[in-house]
Amino acid sequence: QKEVEQDPGPLSVPEGAIVSLNCTYSNSAFQYFMWYRQYSRKGPELLMYTYSSGNKEDGRFTAQVDKSSKYISLFIRDSQPSDSATYLCAMRGRGQKVTFGTGTKLQVIP
Amino acid sequence: KAGVTQTPRYLIKTRGQQVTLSCSPISGHRSVSWYQQTPGQGLQFLFEYFSETQRNKGNFPGRFSGRQFSNSRSEMNVSTLELGDSALYLCASSLETTGQDEQYFGPGTRLTVT
Repeated sequence: QKEVEQDPGPLSVPEGAIVSLNCTYSNSAFQYFMWYRQYSRKGPELLMYTYSSGNKEDGRFTAQVDKSSKYISLFIRDSQPSDSATYLCAMRGRGQKVTFGTGTKLQVIP
Repeated sequence: KAGVTQTPRYLIKTRGQQVTLSCSPISGHRSVSWYQQTPGQGLQFLFEYFSETQRNKGNFPGRFSGRQFSNSRSEMNVSTLELGDSALYLCASSLETTGQDEQYFGPGTRLTVT
């Protein structure tokens, strides 16, 4: 079993839809959680970072962490064609390497 | 503040050669990690350096090595290149103080081995 599980998609939604991306994990030592967006042939771009359970909002993006269920989510409101990319969840424990999900490919249809 | 920079951005090498890639982290960041990304395997962790010491290591053969300098800049070296080493090599840095453990990535070096 992988430490981090992420549905690879692809996920196709109409413009303006709310997108929900999810990851589950098994390592209780994970304390820090990140979401990255990666466009084709580019480096990943950090979107959200959190280290506590609950919600964190930044513009159209909301990151949700439930440590008791070992489950994290990223919500994108009012999705735009420019949001079409691969989204990677990532997590780490203190002093540990970062472990990534396999990424979910998202396509927002105009 | 400048982001993570990587040089060179593109590289073409022949099988059997060796290559050195360079990474300059964000100013003040002490941790540098290296990843290999291929379409089939996704992001694969190579190694992580913190204050010039290798702190974590992935499951890559000994042909892959790295180091970190006192100014936190890092290099990775691949010897005896194989066709399968063709990939995007990404470097990421983090500050690692309380509450600031997130990683920031550079644009990557795209290595093609022929």
